[in-house]
Amino acid sequence: TQLLEQSPQFLSIQEGENLTVYCNSSSVFSSLQWYRQEPGEGPVLLVTVVTGGEVKKLKRLTFQFGDARKDSSLHITAAQPGDTGLYLCAGVGAGGTSYGKLTFGQGTILTVHP
Amino acid sequence: DTGVSQDPRHKITKRGQNVTFRCDPISEHNRLYWYRQTLGQGPEFLTYFQNEAQLEKSRLLSDRFSAERPKGSFSTLEIQRTEQGDSAMYLCASGKDYEQYFGPGTRLTVT
Repeated sequence: TQLLEQSPQFLSIQEGENLTVYCNSSSVFSSLQWYRQEPGEGPVLLVTVVTGGEVKKLKRLTFQFGDARKDSSLHITAAQPGDTGLYLCAGVGAGGTSYGKLTFGQGTILTVHP
Repeated sequence: DTGVSQDPRHKITKRGQNVTFRCDPISEHNRLYWYRQTLGQGPEFLTYFQNEAQLEKSRLLSDRFSAERPKGSFSTLEIQRTEQGDSAMYLCASGKDYEQYFGPGTRLTVT
């Protein structure tokens, strides 16, 4: 069974601070995705990282895929209250009947205080 | 709105009753997934369709759960003889390639 461990589970910070969320697995995934979820809504895809060592930036968000494609991180610079939400990493199944199937971490609940 | 839609958004039912949820995917997507999410946790995979074929089912999907996708369009997820442990958010996602787009979910509360 492929598992993803996310840390920290909870993060409460002040506006303007930086933060990093980690996602680790003992298994290799073909790619890894990060989602953000608001209360009462479905997850919304932020980014997909595919290549080991890959770094992608989305405004103040920086995503990195580990060289061995087993871990990933999400770094937010100068957090804003609008960044508040549940952040989820998900490993993507590669082939056969598991094609596209997502295995999620338990999520990080981020609260940014004004 | 051309996103994934789910109906109903909320369902409260008594233990032992049957419930059915519907998911309408994005029209050009041939893959459809169901996930279950409990409070404070990430979604857990339940089952997956490619067109009308159900290709994989999680062991979380007990005999009380059944999913269909007739004609490869909308999908239904039925839970028979609901139990309190079935209370959760049921999420549907559709996709092609590696990207999935989630619906808003159906929040089920079993009393």
